[in-house]
Amino acid sequence: DAGITQSPRHKVTETGTPVTLRCHQTENHRYMYWYRQDPGHGLRLIHYSYGVKDTDKGEVSDGYSVSRSKTEDFLLTLESATSSQTSVYFCATTGDYGYGYTFGSGTRLTVV
Amino acid sequence: QKEVEQNSGPLSVPEGAIASLNCTYSDRGSQSFFWYRQYSGKSPELIMSIYSNGDKEDGRFTAQLNKASQYVSLLIRDSQPSDSATYLCAALTGANNLFFGTGTRLTVIP
Repeated sequence: DAGITQSPRHKVTETGTPVTLRCHQTENHRYMYWYRQDPGHGLRLIHYSYGVKDTDKGEVSDGYSVSRSKTEDFLLTLESATSSQTSVYFCATTGDYGYGYTFGSGTRLTVV
Repeated sequence: QKEVEQNSGPLSVPEGAIASLNCTYSDRGSQSFFWYRQYSGKSPELIMSIYSNGDKEDGRFTAQLNKASQYVSLLIRDSQPSDSATYLCAALTGANNLFFGTGTRLTVIP
């Protein structure tokens, strides 16, 4: 999908461990986003980036950090994973202001 | 708090019928609206965008926007079993962030 790759696709981790999810895009898109999707809550924005080293918080950013050192890569880190962070995580990108996003295939994360 | 509200359904329609999906939004500053389709276990896929009041048609899909009523809808004509999915409504904020509704699950009965 528009050259967006998320890794890993699935991960099981233990409570308290750090976890990093990766989003890689080949479209040279300026904007990148991390969402989580949970039953009953829909897609909720965690963090977003509007350029290299330019990031900001979304509506559910507590417990998460991000980094964007290159246009093509946007990393999401759970500093100390908790069971409440068990979810499906989607990365999305868009190249222009005002247009819809294209989503990656998602990462299913389980924290036990 | 920017909110997008959808009826969660499930909505069931017979094959060949018109499916009508509705959405309301709270942020009057939102100017762009989108409909995504999501099959079970898959990622959301953009199917329609609408920016101006009125109707926008693309094949069997028609998106409708009424900014005065803060209302967006999606009509699917000649519904097919392959249209069975969850449909997500989204509104774009001034910061270029999309806020999503929780989705309406549509089932098309053969």
